[in-house]
Amino acid sequence: DVKVTQSSRYLVKRTGEKVFLECVQDMDHENMFWYRQDPGLGLRLIYFSYDVKMKEKGDIPEGYSVSREKKERFSLILESASTNQTSMYLCASSFGRGARNEQFFGPGTRLTVL
Amino acid sequence: SQQGEEDPQALSIQEGENATMNCSYKTSINNLQWYRQNSGRGLVHLILIRSNEREKHSGRLRVTLDTSKKSSSLLITASRAADTASYFCAFNEGAQKLVFGQGTRLTINP
Repeated sequence: DVKVTQSSRYLVKRTGEKVFLECVQDMDHENMFWYRQDPGLGLRLIYFSYDVKMKEKGDIPEGYSVSREKKERFSLILESASTNQTSMYLCASSFGRGARNEQFFGPGTRLTVL
Repeated sequence: SQQGEEDPQALSIQEGENATMNCSYKTSINNLQWYRQNSGRGLVHLILIRSNEREKHSGRLRVTLDTSKKSSSLLITASRAADTASYFCAFNEGAQKLVFGQGTRLTINP
């Protein structure tokens, strides 16, 4: 079974802090994705990556950056956390090229920025 | 970037009844997928239907796709309390990303 793990289930940070959210998948998937989920807004894509050291902006990249130094790990970085980044963050991975195939999700990190 | 539209937003039925959820989209797609999310958890993939397929089954799940109407439906038969969750459709926007619907919140009452 594919396993996607996220470093924390719950995280509380203060405004202005630099925040790292880590995601690891164990199935050698090429593609990895970061989403945020907010009530009434559904899932929105922040960044995605199709290969090591490669990244592409999603629909809402402002205030975020990512890093993919190894194939199995995709990190989301909040450079200077703000209260409007309080949200549920979901990481996903998939095999093959592009986003045509099913995505496997981690359990999510609920981030609160005070 | 568009979002899929799901209908209804919320659905409450009795255990044993069937539940139907609908999804509409506006662009051409390669496939359409359905996911389930239990409260506070990540999404779990349920089923994928390709653009050249009209119907697909998986256990108690039945998915239909009408590309002429740009719509899909998910039917859960003989519902159980464990089916209580939010259900999302997702489709390709080009080759690069999946676009998710807003979701249908399904409650199964014992």
